[in-house]
Amino acid sequence: GAVVSQHPSRVICKSGTSVKIECRSLDFQATTMFWYRQFPKQSLMLMATSNEGSKATYEQGVEKDKFLINHASLTLSTLTVTSAHPEDSSFYICSATSGTGGANYGYTFGSGTRLTVV
Amino acid sequence: KQEVTQIPAALSVPEGENLVLNCSFTDSAIYNLQWFRQDPGKGLTSLLLIQSSQREQTSGRLNASLDKSSGRSTLYIAASQPGDSATYLCAVRPGGYNKLIFGAGTRLAVHP
Repeated sequence: GAVVSQHPSRVICKSGTSVKIECRSLDFQATTMFWYRQFPKQSLMLMATSNEGSKATYEQGVEKDKFLINHASLTLSTLTVTSAHPEDSSFYICSATSGTGGANYGYTFGSGTRLTVV
Repeated sequence: KQEVTQIPAALSVPEGENLVLNCSFTDSAIYNLQWFRQDPGKGLTSLLLIQSSQREQTSGRLNASLDKSSGRSTLYIAASQPGDSATYLCAVRPGGYNKLIFGAGTRLAVHP
């Protein structure tokens, strides 16, 4: 089955520094990748959608200059949290799909990254 | 705007019980509906995917139904086990969109 690898699983960084999270599709070409944020005991909030080779589309209220997304290949997307602050501490999850427009496909999720900014 | 609601928010049951988790959505124009499982501090594992033209899907002890016209889906877990303890998330893919809208989840605890 489709597998998405997300790295690192945990990261602690100092306030003001930047952190990069990687999301890789291991056995399929991910035409579209998604980045979510999840607060404790809450559901997933979609941050942005990225298509390979295009600029990411950010959801309303998400700062595109703080959360930089790159989807340079069909198997890799990265999320960089720039100038991180304690309020950016959260659980970040990526998702990928190989669907190119048809309705009959699902989404595969990575294992998530716990970011703690101190 | 599509909204997804899951009831109950939390559930604690003894091992062996048959369970019903509910999901409702406000806009029936969907491509599909997907049920996921999330263990604490982990990512999401897809359990069942139901296309808009389907009524139900089954996998082992899990059965999910979809009534698109009424905006409802049900996840049925037979003979629950402690290993089923997790948060179960329902998500719909709205028609015309390439993204998922999630419910807040049902936190399930199955005790021996």
